[in-house]
Amino acid sequence: DSGVTQTPKHLITATGQRVTLRCSPRSGDLSVYWYQQSLDQGLQFLIQYYNGEERAKGNILERFSAQQFPDLHSELNLSSLELGDSALYFCASSALAGGNEQYFGPGTRLTVT
Amino acid sequence: QQQVKQSPQSLIVQKGGIPIINCAYENTAFDYFPWYQQFPGKGPALLIAIRPDVSEKKEGRFTISFNKSAKQFSLHIMDSQPGDSATYFCAASMISGTYKYIFGTGTRLKVLA
Repeated sequence: DSGVTQTPKHLITATGQRVTLRCSPRSGDLSVYWYQQSLDQGLQFLIQYYNGEERAKGNILERFSAQQFPDLHSELNLSSLELGDSALYFCASSALAGGNEQYFGPGTRLTVT
Repeated sequence: QQQVKQSPQSLIVQKGGIPIINCAYENTAFDYFPWYQQFPGKGPALLIAIRPDVSEKKEGRFTISFNKSAKQFSLHIMDSQPGDSATYFCAASMISGTYKYIFGTGTRLKVLA
């Protein structure tokens, strides 16, 4: 158990809908990262937050957004969902802004029908 | 420049064998190279990581070999066991900078009993 928690574990929704994925980092970790894992794209970095501020952006679609709250939990919002958004979404956390050791949560499996 | 190339895509070894997974990168600014192990339905778990100032690092049955001039690194699993059957990902990152991980495409390892 990495200490990173993610909810929900599974999510099934329809195209065009909006969902929110939640992540709680390990105790004491200030950085949160979001990754998408799909069969054809592998593990892709989406976005990083450090202590409430956006730190880095990857290949995150404009339909996706994220934020990190004062208690350091983070939410990833996915809107106008498309079939191609079906994937595993992982959150990872690290102690510092420099993500040398990132610890991954169990993931949320999103299925868009 | 941002890619990490991982091979082989899949690997089958007998129990006790030494599977070797290779990764190559191009961006010389990368200075942190972790390996992750992922079981089906689980998040990636950090196995071992190396920085370019050393050529080898061992943790238990897992060894990373690093060749800075060739921009390659590899994971060796000594005395492999059926419980090691999983997907292994290499990654590259920068200790300073955006800190995001660039992941390899993964190697599915099966260790036969």
